[in-house]
Amino acid sequence: ILNVEQSPQSLHVQEGDSTNFTCSFPSSNFYALHWYRWETAKSPEALFVMTLNGDEKKKGRISATLNTKEGYSYLYIKGSQPEDSATYLCAPPGGSARQLTFGSGTQLTVLP
Amino acid sequence: EAQVTQNPRYLITVTGKKLTVTCSQNMNHEYMSWYRQDPGLGLRQIYYSMNVEVTDKGDVPEGYKVSRKEKRNFPLILESPSPNQTSLYFCASMRGFNEQFFGPGTRLTVL
Repeated sequence: ILNVEQSPQSLHVQEGDSTNFTCSFPSSNFYALHWYRWETAKSPEALFVMTLNGDEKKKGRISATLNTKEGYSYLYIKGSQPEDSATYLCAPPGGSARQLTFGSGTQLTVLP
Repeated sequence: EAQVTQNPRYLITVTGKKLTVTCSQNMNHEYMSWYRQDPGLGLRQIYYSMNVEVTDKGDVPEGYKVSRKEKRNFPLILESPSPNQTSLYFCASMRGFNEQFFGPGTRLTVL
């Protein structure tokens, strides 16, 4: 089973703060890394799929970077809002390109 | 509307009584997958399928079966459920290496 680590496990920030999380994974045999946003009582929703070393993706106030050589990805949220409160999951590929292994997530709470 | 559907959404059953959770997608995706979510353990992949008649084990396949006879359907079968299979189950589908679309989840309790 692939070892995927996300840090921190949980985070509380004030509205307007910017924040970032880390996803660490073994750097070999890389295909694509997924980021998902998971709100309580809902299903995970895709944020980004990143495939290339040095890849940077952006969606509104959320952006992500990828370093496959050193085995990490960062997710950034600029100017956090209460509606950003959710668990953020990363999923690098496992033993094959289609076997995704999810990290346990970073639970973000944005306080108004 | 593009979506992944699961049924039932909630199920309470007893040990040993066979059950099937259905999953269907209307996006013509080749890839489908089943996950279980348990507190503190995150999402763990049970089985996945890259196309019709092609299925592979994920990280936690023990006690589960799947089949992929049609592209749109990927049922999860528990032949003899046990209490340690009490969990929240998600089905998902994906085209190529793009993002996965998740179903609404099925909360299963095995007494």
